[in-house]
Amino acid sequence: AQSVAQPEDQVNVAEGNPLTVKCTYSVSGNPYLFWYVQYPNRGLQFLLKYITGDNLVKGSYGFEAEFNKSQTSFHLKKPSALVSDSALYFCAVRPLTGANNLFFGTGTRLTVIP
Amino acid sequence: NAGVTQTPKFQVLKTGQSMTLQCAQDMNHNSMYWYRQDPGMGLRLIYYSASEGTTDKGEVPNGYNVSRLNKREFSLRLESAAPSQTSVYFCASRSVAGAGEQFFGPGTRLTVL
Repeated sequence: AQSVAQPEDQVNVAEGNPLTVKCTYSVSGNPYLFWYVQYPNRGLQFLLKYITGDNLVKGSYGFEAEFNKSQTSFHLKKPSALVSDSALYFCAVRPLTGANNLFFGTGTRLTVIP
Repeated sequence: NAGVTQTPKFQVLKTGQSMTLQCAQDMNHNSMYWYRQDPGMGLRLIYYSASEGTTDKGEVPNGYNVSRLNKREFSLRLESAAPSQTSVYFCASRSVAGAGEQFFGPGTRLTVL
C-alpha cells in the first residue's frame, strides 16, 4: 500500500535561516513526487515535482527538494526562509502504475519567525 | 483563465439534508478529482474521473456520489449529510500528459450540524 509520511507536524525556523521539511514515502516502483503549499483559507498550490533525472529539483519561490532513492525521501528545502513562507506544506506521491491519483502526507506547518 | 473554480465557498447543512458541490475547470484537463481535507489527516481522495464519462471510487467514497457532467465539470453530491462529512472539500484537475501536476480549486468549507 502506498503511504507518505511527514514526521513533523510543525517546523519553526528563524527568518533568514535555511529550512527543511521532511518527507518519506513507501510506494511500489518509482513514483512521481510532488510538494504543494497551502496558505490559510486557500487551495493547494504546486511548488515542484520530481519525475526523473537530477536528484535536486528546483521549484517556485526559491524552494528546492532533494530526492534520495535509497532513503525513499523527498525533503523540501530553502536556503533562506522568509516570513511569507509560513504555511502548510504537503508532500504527495503518484505511483506510476494503477490509479492516477495523488497520495498525500498529513502536512507540516511551517512557521518562520521574524 | 480561471483555473479550477468551486461553488459554494461555504455551506452549513443539517443532518439528513442533501447538497451538490460544483467544480469546473477551464484548462481542458481530462482528469478531475474530489478530495476532503481533515485536520491531521492530509487530503484523502473521495472520487476521481480519469476522463469524461468515467468515474471511480477513491479512498473514502461512502456517503458521496459524483457526476462528470462534461469535460469541464465534475460535481460531488451528498445525498444525506452526516456530521462526519464536516470537512473542507477540494476539487482538482490534471492533464494526462506525463507527470502533470494537479491544480486545485479554492475549496468548499462544509459544516454538517
